[in-house]
Amino acid sequence: AQKVTQAQTEISVVEKEDVTLDCVYETRDTTYYLFWYKQPPSGELVFLIRRNSFDEQNEISGRYSWNFQKSTSSFNFTITASQVVDSAVYFCALSFNAGGTSYGKLTFGQGTILTVHP
Amino acid sequence: KAGVTQTPRYLIKTRGQQVTLSCSPISGHRSVSWYQQTPGQGLQFLFEYFSETQRNKGNFPGRFSGRQFSNSRSEMNVSTLELGDSALYLCASSKGQTLIQETQYFGPGTRLLVL
Repeated sequence: AQKVTQAQTEISVVEKEDVTLDCVYETRDTTYYLFWYKQPPSGELVFLIRRNSFDEQNEISGRYSWNFQKSTSSFNFTITASQVVDSAVYFCALSFNAGGTSYGKLTFGQGTILTVHP
Repeated sequence: KAGVTQTPRYLIKTRGQQVTLSCSPISGHRSVSWYQQTPGQGLQFLFEYFSETQRNKGNFPGRFSGRQFSNSRSEMNVSTLELGDSALYLCASSKGQTLIQETQYFGPGTRLLVL
């Protein structure tokens, strides 16, 4: 069975602080994909990043960075110098090679509500 | 490139009625997935369509159904609405042509309220 856990339900920070959102996943598959999405109040899920299980390189995109560690089954997301516009719900998701019961299916964590205060 | 569009954006229905939601994928995308988002259950996978065929289905009752047309547009239908069906229904599209799980791009959702 696959499972994604985002233990932090809510995080509140002041602008310019760094913040890390945790994501822990469970799977028996050797090939899988991990995603992060952002959901602003408008409701649309905005894609942020996709990683496959064979690529453990950390990635940085502007103020965003991701730390993928297979040894601890974690895929954490850090926002550096947070801004008010970063306030949203962030979801981590897991999927497998498309096929059978995996077609088009993402398994999501419960999400972390991030509030950045000015 | 236009994103995923969903109509209507908001809907109010009463128990027992049925509802149809529509999703137009990104041009060139042939796979459409549907998700239900509620405060209690979070984001849950409903089903996925590719080339007018349902390839995968989540754990939802038969009241939830869908279809896909030859232009890849998809509809989902919920019959005999229950209060618990109140949710944000999200549609996502991807190219869907390979065995690699491609990135899904989401629409703005349809917010359904059942009274």
